[in-house]
Amino acid sequence: QSVLTQPPSVSAAPGQKVTISCSGGSSNIGKNYVSWYQQLPGTAPKLLIYENSKRPSGIPDRFSGSRSGTSATLGITGLQTGDEAHYYCGTWDSSLSAGVFGGGTKLTVL
Amino acid sequence: EVQLLESGGGSIQPGGSLRLSCAASGFTFSSFAMSWVRQAPGKGLEWVSSMSASSTNIFYAESVKGRFTISRDNSKKTLYLQVNSLRAEDTAVYFCAKGWMDYGFDYWGQGTLVTVSS
Repeated sequence: QSVLTQPPSVSAAPGQKVTISCSGGSSNIGKNYVSWYQQLPGTAPKLLIYENSKRPSGIPDRFSGSRSGTSATLGITGLQTGDEAHYYCGTWDSSLSAGVFGGGTKLTVL
Repeated sequence: EVQLLESGGGSIQPGGSLRLSCAASGFTFSSFAMSWVRQAPGKGLEWVSSMSASSTNIFYAESVKGRFTISRDNSKKTLYLQVNSLRAEDTAVYFCAKGWMDYGFDYWGQGTLVTVSS
């Protein structure tokens, strides 16, 4: 199992808002920046959020990130069918001296 | 435009070796850390290894330590992953990515598939 825990799936209707949680510990999320990735079917992952809450150029402000203690959250508003994808959180674990990803969350836009 | 192009994957028997390459363009390769991330069929992302810009700092996942070696040639703008003593569980698409895990991988290659099977 993954060091970081994400719900396997979430769903919501077009236009609605969804949040995806990422739970870790004091040696990973509690100490280091969290990033979020979107992976559309058959494609490479794409960076959505870095350093907990920053968006790379070109990522719409419908996507947001936050961190509190040892958990992080990705928020997506104004859901579109094109947002259907797997979403992964990731960070560095200072105790393991290793990168760690969450198990991924499949978003379904109903 | 930043581009990362992996190559070197293929089908290999257990115990075999491969060298994966990642050719970079569109940015100052020698100034950035680089990493490898893999994804087994139908599974999630797994961080494999990272190397600093100057090759001074290198880290490996426990699952590949002692079998995989990351390296880079800044003059050729290329990142490598030497994968030895391959096991069935190493079967995955291997992505190269620009950056460190904790600051986010801002660019990814399209991946190269490694299949380990007898």
